[in-house]
This record gives sequence, structure tokens and C-alpha cells, in this order.
Amino acid sequence: NAGVMQNPRHLVRRRGQEARLRCSPMKGHSHVYWYRQLPEEGLKFMVYLQKENIIDESGMPKERFSAEFPKEGPSILRIQQVVRGDSAAYFCASSPPGQGNQPQHFGDGTRLSIL
Amino acid sequence: QQPVQSPQAVILREGEDAVINCSSSKALYSVHWYRQKHGEAPIFLMILLKGGEQKGHDKISASFNEKKQQSSLYLTASQLSYSGTYFCGTPDNYGQNFVFGPGTRLSVLP
Repeated sequence: NAGVMQNPRHLVRRRGQEARLRCSPMKGHSHVYWYRQLPEEGLKFMVYLQKENIIDESGMPKERFSAEFPKEGPSILRIQQVVRGDSAAYFCASSPPGQGNQPQHFGDGTRLSIL
Repeated sequence: QQPVQSPQAVILREGEDAVINCSSSKALYSVHWYRQKHGEAPIFLMILLKGGEQKGHDKISASFNEKKQQSSLYLTASQLSYSGTYFCGTPDNYGQNFVFGPGTRLSVLP
């Protein structure tokens, strides 16, 4: 009974490189959230997706960041031309459809470090 | 609009009780409660959907006031395993996104 799977757990990139973070939701869940968390801080909403559709991306920077959740395969959070300030833990959470009425199940996160 | 949590931090001895509050200047659509231990993923505790609703799970319970602008999480006879940061969260913009409060750090000492 697999939960939400995120990979990689740790990712190191140099400034200017691209980072790709993957999230496979729980079985039966069609909705995915991505959050960013800095050390000792809270969870900041980035984007909310369902299969093949972005529902809300208001928390995601307009430049360099993109997210997708294809019909087949995991959800991907992509950060192009990374900068030091992108260093953070990125969590994804999945839920059944329900627009806020359903609990979110979190993956273990990807710790992104930018050198 | 981010909900407000209080207190920011609380230290307890094992067996003591604690209350964590979550409030907003506008009516909340629903309230979720999560706990996160250091270096780990947040874990879902409970969700309240209706004003006046109360829920319990072992020795952790929560209420959602009638006007749906405030929720409280109650931890009774706290155990060492209750230590962590507690976040309330709520959907915003008609459920299109989700906003977490800043968190309350709970430390339970032996």
C-alpha cells in the first residue's frame, strides 16, 4: 500500500542547472499539491493540479518554475536555471477530488540544495 | 489569506494539556490539522467541515466554531510523541488553492 512517493529525496544542483522533482500520488488520488518549505518555516502553496490540468498555480513564481501532471506518470515540478534561493524542501501531497474537503497525504519531500 | 495560529510555541511536561488556536478574519471553508516532526513529512490529523463541528482522535480533538472563523486543537494528557509543529490549513479561493498557518511548535518533555 504505497503512499505518496517523491524522488529524489535529495537533489544537489549548481546554479544555472535544471531541477526536476517527481511525485507519484497515492493510488486512486487524482489531485496533487506542491509546497515549498524553508528551514523552520511553514508550508507555502505553489501549485494545485489534477490529471492533465493545472487548477491553480498562483503560488508558483512565473519565471523558471513549471509543473505538470500528465495522464500517465508522476507529477513533475521543474525549476530551470536554479539559484541559491531555490534551496528548500519541496513537498507534494495528493488527495482524492474534493476541492478542500479531502485530507492531503504528503510525500517525504525532496531536499534541494543549490551550490 | 493565511490563517493565524497561537501560540507560536508551547512547552509541556508529559501528561499536561495544550490548546492550539487557528483563526481567520473571514469565514473558513474548512479546517485541516497536520503535525510535522522535524525532517519529516506532515501527517494529517483531522478535518472539520461544518461550523460547530467537533472531532476527536485518541486524546487529540478539535472544534470549529459556529461562525467558521476559528478552530482549536486540543491535546490532552500529552505524550512525548506529540512533539512537533502543528499546522492548520484551509482551502482558499473556493478550494482552488490551499493555505497553511505559520505553525505552532509543541515540545513535550519527560
